[in-house]
Amino acid sequence: AQKITQTQPGMFVQEKEAVTLDCTYDTSDQSYGLFWYKQPSSGEMIFLIYQGSYDEQNATEGRYSLNFQKARKSANLVISASQLGDSAMYFCAMREGPGSARQLTFGSGTQLTVLP
Amino acid sequence: GAVVSQHPSWVICKSGTSVKIECRSLDFQATTMFWYRQFPKQSLMLMATSNEGSKATYEQGVEKDKFLINHASLTLSTLTVTSAHPEDSSFYICSARVGTGLHEQFFGPGTRLTVL
Repeated sequence: AQKITQTQPGMFVQEKEAVTLDCTYDTSDQSYGLFWYKQPSSGEMIFLIYQGSYDEQNATEGRYSLNFQKARKSANLVISASQLGDSAMYFCAMREGPGSARQLTFGSGTQLTVLP
Repeated sequence: GAVVSQHPSWVICKSGTSVKIECRSLDFQATTMFWYRQFPKQSLMLMATSNEGSKATYEQGVEKDKFLINHASLTLSTLTVTSAHPEDSSFYICSARVGTGLHEQFFGPGTRLTVL
């Protein structure tokens, strides 16, 4: 079974509008972390936001917020006031369990295009 | 945030030759380094996890004799693609972890390998 599922291969949003990128995950661990990364066409992976499984509040970082619904196992990324520079590939990822050796598992990604 | 560099950023080689990619953590000591492979329009797939001074742990399906990983120090890991073939052409990304916190992981800018 897929550990991270991103069901939107591509999304379009008008500049200055908000957009939600979906992510659902599957784990039996109680302790895990959820991440969102942005990958522009240059290829670099840019960390956006993190949510820990025990965090009670939804994470926010500037224009990015994570809508964490633990019971539904979803961790959607909300980008407010979209900018042209937000056009990129967005990956949801999860690290299960404690321990520094645990790796990130990535979803298939969502290609976001911001329209002027 | 911490900086991870990769060298070279791109390389073109002939089939049958070996290519070495370096990954360095510039301003921190990385307890663990990860190597990912990404095909166009696809997600990042973990190839191997390496800890300084010990053998790398390869993911299922990754040939350890073909993709040699050396983690010689806390700031340097190398990936050598031996006897490269056109199907090895891909984007290779390294990532370095610092500490045991769930979200201290930083990505290099990637290396685009093209095998002719």
